[in-house]
Amino acid sequence: ILNVEQSPQSLHVQEGDSTNFTCSFPSSNFYALHWYRWETAKSPEALFVMTLNGDEKKKGRISATLNTKEGYSYLYIKGSQPEDSATYLCASKGVPPQGGSEKLVFGKGTKLTVNP
Amino acid sequence: NAGVTQTPKFQVLKTGQSMTLQCAQDMNHEYMSWYRQDPGMGLRLIHYSVGAGITDQGEVPNGYNVSRSTTEDFPLRLLSAAPSQTSVYFCASSRDWTSGQPQHFGDGTRLSIL
Repeated sequence: ILNVEQSPQSLHVQEGDSTNFTCSFPSSNFYALHWYRWETAKSPEALFVMTLNGDEKKKGRISATLNTKEGYSYLYIKGSQPEDSATYLCASKGVPPQGGSEKLVFGKGTKLTVNP
Repeated sequence: NAGVTQTPKFQVLKTGQSMTLQCAQDMNHEYMSWYRQDPGMGLRLIHYSVGAGITDQGEVPNGYNVSRSTTEDFPLRLLSAAPSQTSVYFCASSRDWTSGQPQHFGDGTRLSIL
């Protein structure tokens, strides 16, 4: 099965702090890397989809980078605000090591809490 | 534009009962999928479909059936409910299965099996 790992599992920061978290994924048979923001009692919402090595994407204070050769992506939040509190999910689209069709597999997420 | 609509929002079943979770999208998306979300496990793929008439298994397909007779609908059937299937179920869709398309999620169905 595709193994997608996210770290840290949870993170507490103060309002105004900048923060980042990591998503690692198999670099072979890679097709795309997705980031989602998931607020409590809501459904996940797409932030970014990246496909090319070296891709960088930005949406307001949130940005992401992608390294497909070494199999990792970073999500950065600049000047965290309490409304940024959520679980951030990454998902890798690829072919599992045992073969078969492409699948989109999610990591377990990083839960961010921003204290006022 | 309703997006992805899941029904019901909540359901309680007894062990051994069967039921169908409904998912409909009005965006003419080709790709649809079902996930279950359990504490500490993230989102796990149950089944997915790349278009009408085509379905395939995800990571945790046992105990579930799907069909895709129309582009709009992708129901998930629990054949004989078990307590291990207590979970929150999310349906998602994307325009197609090409690399650059994000998933659009429904609001989820919270299912409890007694």
